[in-house]
Amino acid sequence: DTEVTQTPKHLVMGMTNKKSLKCEQHMGHRAMYWYKQKAKKPPELMFVYSYEKLSINESVPSRFSPECPNSSLLNLHLHALQPEDSALYLCASSQDRRVPYSGANVLTFGAGSRLTVL
Amino acid sequence: QKEVEQNSGPLSVPEGAIASLNCTYSDRVSQSFFWYRQYSGKSPELIMSIYSNGDKEDGRFTAQLNKASQYVSLLIRDSQPSDSATYLCAVNRDNAGNMLTFGGGTRLMVKP
Repeated sequence: DTEVTQTPKHLVMGMTNKKSLKCEQHMGHRAMYWYKQKAKKPPELMFVYSYEKLSINESVPSRFSPECPNSSLLNLHLHALQPEDSALYLCASSQDRRVPYSGANVLTFGAGSRLTVL
Repeated sequence: QKEVEQNSGPLSVPEGAIASLNCTYSDRVSQSFFWYRQYSGKSPELIMSIYSNGDKEDGRFTAQLNKASQYVSLLIRDSQPSDSATYLCAVNRDNAGNMLTFGGGTRLMVKP
């Protein structure tokens, strides 16, 4: 299994809703990432988990709350979002964030969850 | 100055031609470099990774790295219409891991 699976594929929510995005991988990867990509822009890093611990938070607003329940799962909890948060949210994983320059330690992206905030 | 810069394009080439995509980066300590292909509405897909100066070939794709000039390029030989996509250059800005900074992407159009 070489896939990163994200659900839901599409999500529409109001500004007062609470929802979650889910990401799952069964490749034994120990690093997982959330990226945000707005239309016609490159992906921007939001969070990095390494061995189930949050290691990087790129100054993301608290209305986005990541969670890593175990080594295979990564969630992104959403609350009180704004319309400008509408974007494609990409989950990615890699073998081990602490191993540099390895051809095997590259990011594998999921298909993304397209979020629309009304 | 942006950390990773690419010409946004579109770069239009005829089918069968060589497409040349370029990328410059600002952080001299960067050590690993990647090219991702992204079709419209889809997620990025890794095409090539390169860590050492010089050329790296994989099928129709060749990545070139020049650390002294802080320059990475991707050549696509025998371009096909199916190669039409946005190509993202990514630089690892954390030498201990995989914190990628992406360039803005170059849109490639291969015309039959």
